[in-house]
Amino acid sequence: GAGVSQSPRYKVAKRGQDVALRCDPISGHVSLFWYQQALGQGPEFLTYFQNEAQLDKSGLPSDRFFAERPEGSVSTLKIQRTQQEDSAVYLCASSLSTGDSYEQYFGPGTRLTVT
Amino acid sequence: SQQGEEDPQALSIQEGENATMNCSYKTSINNLQWYRQNSGRGLVHLILIRSNEREKHSGRLRVTLDTSKKSSSLLITASRAADTASYFCATGKNSGYSTLTFGKGTMLLVSP
Repeated sequence: GAGVSQSPRYKVAKRGQDVALRCDPISGHVSLFWYQQALGQGPEFLTYFQNEAQLDKSGLPSDRFFAERPEGSVSTLKIQRTQQEDSAVYLCASSLSTGDSYEQYFGPGTRLTVT
Repeated sequence: SQQGEEDPQALSIQEGENATMNCSYKTSINNLQWYRQNSGRGLVHLILIRSNEREKHSGRLRVTLDTSKKSSSLLITASRAADTASYFCATGKNSGYSTLTFGKGTMLLVSP
């Protein structure tokens, strides 16, 4: 079946622009995660949704970052007034259920470059 | 912040050889997972080992966990060129859901 998809795959934004990154999780997956991966580093957690509820946003680096999942499926990560330090790959992952023994399935990521 | 630290940062071997990567972490965990990332397939889950397990096998992969030393190792036996990728360990928090904390990764190059 279809995996996690993300769009766009690549995004170039001028500093100060707003961007919106989309994630389509695997159908029926309850949990959805966003991670940020800087060049040469491992992914770092941003935020977590259980269905439509955002239960953990402790990893969002600033109030310029906002995520939503209004109907419990598709999620959007929005970054306002982008800065150069926001340049990274943004990964979305979903898992079937809650609990920490469920495998997370990752999308291909969106590579954001802020110029 | 990164929880785990993989060692070595980079590893270069020939096809058929074994590759061993190590991971150390800082806080108590419920489980530890290993992921592989390459440009072709993105980030893919390999294996999960729970905190009450000491060793686990999956195909050519063998994972060990030593909670007293807060460390884990991933052994890939009879490596293939297709194993070339970055390998990350990731730990799950003690919570009702698993937000993974990844290390910086080991970059493995397997030459034909």
